[in-house]
Order: sequence, then structure tokens, then C-alpha cells
Amino acid sequence: GQQLNQSPQSMFIQEGEDVSMNCTSSSIFNTWLWYKQDPGEGPVLLIALYKAGELTSNGRLTAQFGITRKDSFLNISASIPSDVGIYFCAGRTQGGSEKLVFGKGTKLTVNP
Amino acid sequence: NAGVTQTPKFRVLKTGQSMTLLCAQDMNHEYMYWYRQDPGMGLRLIHYSVGEGTTAKGEVPDGYNVSRLKKQNFLLGLESAAPSQTSVYFCASKRTLLEAEAFFGQGTRLTVV
Repeated sequence: GQQLNQSPQSMFIQEGEDVSMNCTSSSIFNTWLWYKQDPGEGPVLLIALYKAGELTSNGRLTAQFGITRKDSFLNISASIPSDVGIYFCAGRTQGGSEKLVFGKGTKLTVNP
Repeated sequence: NAGVTQTPKFRVLKTGQSMTLLCAQDMNHEYMYWYRQDPGMGLRLIHYSVGEGTTAKGEVPDGYNVSRLKKQNFLLGLESAAPSQTSVYFCASKRTLLEAEAFFGQGTRLTVV
């Protein structure tokens, strides 16, 4: 089946630093989504991307839909302690599908 | 607006027992999903539904059954629980096929001993 490779698996950073994470796929996707999961909670949608090359921001978060349609990037600027959590990418294949494919997540720890 | 609500939030079962997890959404969404989340494995799709009265298998359906008798509810059943089913279960819903954004419940932490 389709797989998403999400990296890095974990990150330990200092408050104020910028963060970058990415997802790559062997398949072409027509939609990329980025979710954040706080401890003990369900994933919450951060950003949705629908066009190749699209760059979308949500506060300190910026995500990009790769030109090849096989990758996506999420950047967090000036990290704060509440950024702690697991970040998941998810994708939907070209042609539309009722199902999403999820990456395995990037666990972010921010040291004050 | 409650969004997606899962009950119960925690449960401990003995091997061989049965139980049903309930997912309710108040957003009039057509599509509903059940995922399980295990350490290092991400979210894996168990079953899903594209509308009232329909169900379909996902990536890891064995040992689970589902029903969608009402549009707002999606039930996940374990007929004979096994320790391998210890996991955190998430329900999600989305409005239409064209929209990709799925909204998640808060999860049910299930332990099978």
C-alpha cells in the first residue's frame, strides 16, 4: 500500500528555534494535510494544501506542497513550549479518494 | 458545537470480552473513519463509511466490525478482544469526497489484559 515517510522521527529544540520537518511519498498526491496531536488528545488540523507549489501559512507555521507532488514540508518559526506534540502529515492520492494516508509522525520537544 | 465525540475515553477489557466504541459527530458529515494509533506506527485505518448504511474495510480490519445505522454515529465493535488490540482508537469524519480535511475525536484508550 501507499506509504508516507516522515522525518525526522523526533526533534529536541530550544525555545525560539525554528523547526523543519517533511514527508515524502512514492505516489503522487493531490492533497497534503498537516496535523498536530497534543498528549492525550486527537489530531487537530493545522494546514491543508491543494496545489503543487502552494505555500500556506497559519501563524508561525508554514507548509509547502512540493512541486513533484510527492513531498510536503512544515516549518515552525520561533518555537514556544506549547508547540510540543506530535506532528503528522497526511496525503490523498491524485484522482480523489475517501481515504487519507498518514505519516508516522514527528515528535517535537521544546526546552524552555 | 461538539464536533466528533468518542465514548468511552478509557476502557480495560479482559481477553475474550466484547465491547463497542461509539463515535458521534454533529457536523452532518458523510464520511466517518476508525483508526488505531500504536507507538511508532502512526494512524492506521481500521474501517470507514462513506455514508449512512455503508461500511468498508481499511488497512487493518481483522478482529473489528463496524456499523453506521445513523449518519451521525459510527460504531466500532470488538467481538472477542485480544491483547494485540490494546491501542488508542480515534474516530474521524469529513464532509464530502472532494474535501480532504478530516476532524478527529479525542480518542479511546483501550487496554486488553
